[in-house]
Amino acid sequence: DAGVTQSPTHLIKTRGQQVTLRCSPKSGHDTVSWYQQALGQGPQFIFQYYEEEERQRGNFPDRFSGHQFPNYSSELNVNALLLGDSALYLCASSLSASGIREQFFGPGTRLTVL
Amino acid sequence: AQSVSQHNHHVILSEAASLELGCNYSYGGTVNLFWYVQYPGQHLQLLLKYFSGDPLVKGIKGFEAEFIKSKFSFNLRKPSVQWSDTAEYFCAVSPGWGKLQFGAGTQVVVTP
Repeated sequence: DAGVTQSPTHLIKTRGQQVTLRCSPKSGHDTVSWYQQALGQGPQFIFQYYEEEERQRGNFPDRFSGHQFPNYSSELNVNALLLGDSALYLCASSLSASGIREQFFGPGTRLTVL
Repeated sequence: AQSVSQHNHHVILSEAASLELGCNYSYGGTVNLFWYVQYPGQHLQLLLKYFSGDPLVKGIKGFEAEFIKSKFSFNLRKPSVQWSDTAEYFCAVSPGWGKLQFGAGTQVVVTP
């Protein structure tokens, strides 16, 4: 049973560029949440997708957007990259029917903005 | 403002010593509480969780945590640590429907 997978593992971009990160949830899960983990800090909630719609959103600007596909996989898009967007981006999947009480995390995508 | 505070950023201890990591939160209403661990080079894994019921919860690898509602605390404990417990530990709180708010993390180093 595959767990949460994310791609790519590492990414280097320059300021002003756009980036797309991908996530496949754990088998049987229907909800995907994205988190940003800056160096030395805990993960910060970006947003959550369920039934292909954004259900909750954290305190992140509109430059951060996402999408969920019918197979429950998800993308995180960041436009107009800033140096401060350098971080580990984590995807977590969960099951809505369980009240999304437990989330399983992927290995993350390390984004470096130069 | 809603927040999660972890008392220590770094803890160094010897094998067989006892470990206790503090976590306090400020949230109104019912919350779900979690401790996650991130071993070197690995992704976040759930150590234990509290939703309701017995405030003393047991997790994997001999860890346990106690929820004290009056103190808004959810402290993590292990009676005797091993070198393999070297990792970063995160306390997290969820007011519901999956939005997790994490503390800043505690880096634990266990020396042989």
